[in-house]
This record gives sequence, structure tokens and C-alpha cells, in this order.
Amino acid sequence: NAGVTQTPKFRILKIGQSMTLQCAQDMNHNYMYWYRQDPGMGLKLIYYSVGAGITDKGEVPNGYNVSRSTTEYFPLRLELAAPSQTSVYFCASRLLRDRGDNEQFFGPGTRLTVL
Amino acid sequence: GENVEQHPSTLSVQEGDSAVIKCTYSDSASNYFPWYKQELGKRPQLIIDIRSNVGEKKDQRIAVTLNKTAKHFSLHITETQPEDSAVYFCAASIGDTGRRALTFGSGTRLQVQP
Repeated sequence: NAGVTQTPKFRILKIGQSMTLQCAQDMNHNYMYWYRQDPGMGLKLIYYSVGAGITDKGEVPNGYNVSRSTTEYFPLRLELAAPSQTSVYFCASRLLRDRGDNEQFFGPGTRLTVL
Repeated sequence: GENVEQHPSTLSVQEGDSAVIKCTYSDSASNYFPWYKQELGKRPQLIIDIRSNVGEKKDQRIAVTLNKTAKHFSLHITETQPEDSAVYFCAASIGDTGRRALTFGSGTRLQVQP
């Protein structure tokens, strides 16, 4: 298994540009998440999905959109990039059933700079 | 929502000493508490986790304790080695329903001096 993969690894955007951060997992996990990590800080939840066709906002959703048409893919869209969105973005997935929690796996991250 | 506070923000120890990192959480419904290690430029990696029905868990040199009454949990690393140097994050999640996402602490930078 490749686990959780993300592309691109690095990206520089100009203010106002748009882009999509790609995330895929091959573990058949139902839950998927997008976090951002600002320098020297912990991770903050942007959006999450509990299954294909179901998404919802996290703590810091403004300026982002997501979709989940299949179990495997969970892309994150930035429509009008702003310098405040300069961060490292981590996608994660988790297999969660009715009871009990299982490990959350992270992708390698995308380092985004908005100038 | 859940709020997780972590301290200290930096910790420097001599090789072979022990290191302790503490976290508190706000939501009594939280029932899953993982600890992640993040090396520079890398993704967070799970090192140990504990569920709310357990008070302590140990894995070789690493242990985690949980006090549900006080709503705090701690990471203990014994016999520290230079390769333990990294940023450590605690997290908490509310299980069984809803988003079950992790809320992270702000991290502790651990430096192990050889």
C-alpha cells in the first residue's frame, strides 16, 4: 500500500491564483481530513469527510473548498490565494467504525507559499 | 469545541535523562489521545496512543498516562537519545460519532544533548 499520498510537494502561488491540492489513500479508509500547519504551530482542521459524498467544515475552512466523490480521493481547492494561506497542508485518513478508534495516517504534506 | 494545551513549548535534556511533556484537554467527551513525533520537514508519525478506558500505556522507552478526572495526559520518554530530538504533539478526539477529528496541542520541541 502507498498509504496517503499528496501532490504537489511544493508550490508557489501569486495572490489571487487558484489551485487544487491532491490527496489519495489506498487503505479504504472512510474518514479523511485536511489540516494546515503554520510555522511552529500545531495542526488545525480545515475540512473533513466521513465518506464519499459527505464533507463538512473544520476549524479554519474560510478560503477553501473540498469534494469527495470517491472513497480514495479528497482534493482541497484554494480559489483566491492569499498570503495568510502560506502553510504546510497535510491530508490524513482514518478507518473508523461504530466503536473504537484507529490510527490516523498522514500524507507527506504540501508546502504552499503565496506571494 | 475541544481545546488542547501543551507544555512546555521547548525542552532540553541530556542524553540518558527522562523527558516529560504534559497536555490538558477541555472536553470531557474526548476518549482518544495520541502522541505524534514530527521531524523537520516530515509528516507527523504516531508514537503511542491511549484510550479513555486505560490509565497508562507503555511501549519500550515511551509511556503515556491519562487522568480523566483532571483532564490531562502526559508523555514520558526515558533514557533519551539524540534521535529522540523532534517536535512532539499531543492530540485528543471525541470518539463514536461526528467528525472524530484530532485537535492538536501546539507542540513541544525536544532537544536531546549528547
